[in-house]
Amino acid sequence: GDSVTQTEGQVTVSESKSLIINCTYSATSIAYPNLFWYVRYPGEGLQLLLKVITAGQKGSSRGFEATYNKETTSFHLQKASVQESDSAVYYCALSDRNAGAKLTFGGGTRLTVRP
Amino acid sequence: AQTIHQWPVAEIKAVGSPLSLGCTIKGKSSPNLYWYWQATGGTLQQLFYSITVGQVESVVQLNLSASRPKDDQFILSTEKLLLSHSGFYLCAFRDWESSYEQYFGPGTRLTVL
Repeated sequence: GDSVTQTEGQVTVSESKSLIINCTYSATSIAYPNLFWYVRYPGEGLQLLLKVITAGQKGSSRGFEATYNKETTSFHLQKASVQESDSAVYYCALSDRNAGAKLTFGGGTRLTVRP
Repeated sequence: AQTIHQWPVAEIKAVGSPLSLGCTIKGKSSPNLYWYWQATGGTLQQLFYSITVGQVESVVQLNLSASRPKDDQFILSTEKLLLSHSGFYLCAFRDWESSYEQYFGPGTRLTVL
């Protein structure tokens, strides 16, 4: 089946430092998966951070960016300089393009930014 | 703008008791609707989806059922709760005009004792 792996369950970074959250995927049943990063800030609901639906393309939002790499089956999330307000749980996910559109999520990475 | 509302916000229920969780979408006609569940410390997984009124497809068997009685309403229920049903339940809809992403409601926290 399809799966998404986030290797780090928790990441702590100092403010203004760079960040990378790893995400790799396996899409055995989907020819052209869509890739997403969702984020849950403390006390808030799950919201879309960015999406990329074409291999080789990069998505960006709020200073975060991720590139859809079909060769390495990766979709790592990066930010050059994190802020304390970026502290949240980040989920990598993939879906197909059918009506069922099941989102398959990674286990999530809790980011803590130290002031 | 579309809004998604879930009720209740939280529930504490006894094992063996019935459950009904609701979800309403406003501002979007004929949305695709989804239920997701996350056990404490677990991964979000899709439970059900519906593309039209009266039609629901099951994705994961958890002794739960879902119904779509109206275009903008999605209900998750069971007649007998298990301890393993505890967790966080999220309703979502899909916006076909915006390239496949799903938008999530605030969720319901369920604790089964």
